[in-house]
Amino acid sequence: DTEVTQTPKHLVMGMTNKKSLKCEQHMGHRAMYWYKQKAKKPPELMFVYSYEKLSINESVPSRFSPECPNSSLLNLHLHALQPEDSALYLCASSQEPGQLPYEQYFGPGTRLTVT
Amino acid sequence: AQKITQTQPGMFVQEKEAVTLDCTYDTSDPSYGLFWYKQPSSGEMIFLIYQGSYDQQNATEGRYSLNFQKARKSANLVISASQLGDSAMYFCALRTYGNNRLAFGKGNQVVVIP
Repeated sequence: DTEVTQTPKHLVMGMTNKKSLKCEQHMGHRAMYWYKQKAKKPPELMFVYSYEKLSINESVPSRFSPECPNSSLLNLHLHALQPEDSALYLCASSQEPGQLPYEQYFGPGTRLTVT
Repeated sequence: AQKITQTQPGMFVQEKEAVTLDCTYDTSDPSYGLFWYKQPSSGEMIFLIYQGSYDQQNATEGRYSLNFQKARKSANLVISASQLGDSAMYFCALRTYGNNRLAFGKGNQVVVIP
């Protein structure tokens, strides 16, 4: 099973709402990632968790708050977002942090619209 | 720092023909891996093929092959016998050993026409 699942598939939220994105993998991977992707652009890394600890935060605004409750789950808590935060949010996982040749497996993404 | 360059404009390819997508990269690290991903309009990033910097042979995976020219720092993807389902954006990416960051190129848009 090489599957990363993400819920919800689509999310529309107002600027005062609080919502969460969820990501799950059961491949025993020890690194998990959040990316933000705008249309026609490559994904931009937001956060990396290695062995359930936050190892990379790419200077993401505090209105995005990641959480890794266990090795299979990754959440992204959203609060007071701006319309420019509307994007496709991709979750990914890989077997061993920093090791080659392990590729990152991506989930289907959550399309977020902030109104 | 790592850099990936994909400069081809959008491409139209006839079904059943081969297509080559260019990718050049820049890194000072001797140990690295190159990855190609496919992203259809649905949004999911699908891993296609991997080439390690120390691999002696070009990687192949079904209809996908990689033309790896280390001295020129290029890793072009070749898709043979194009199918309509190959219409997508294709991203070349690089990661160095010990690094969790995956550096992506800007992508190549491919449209396969019947």
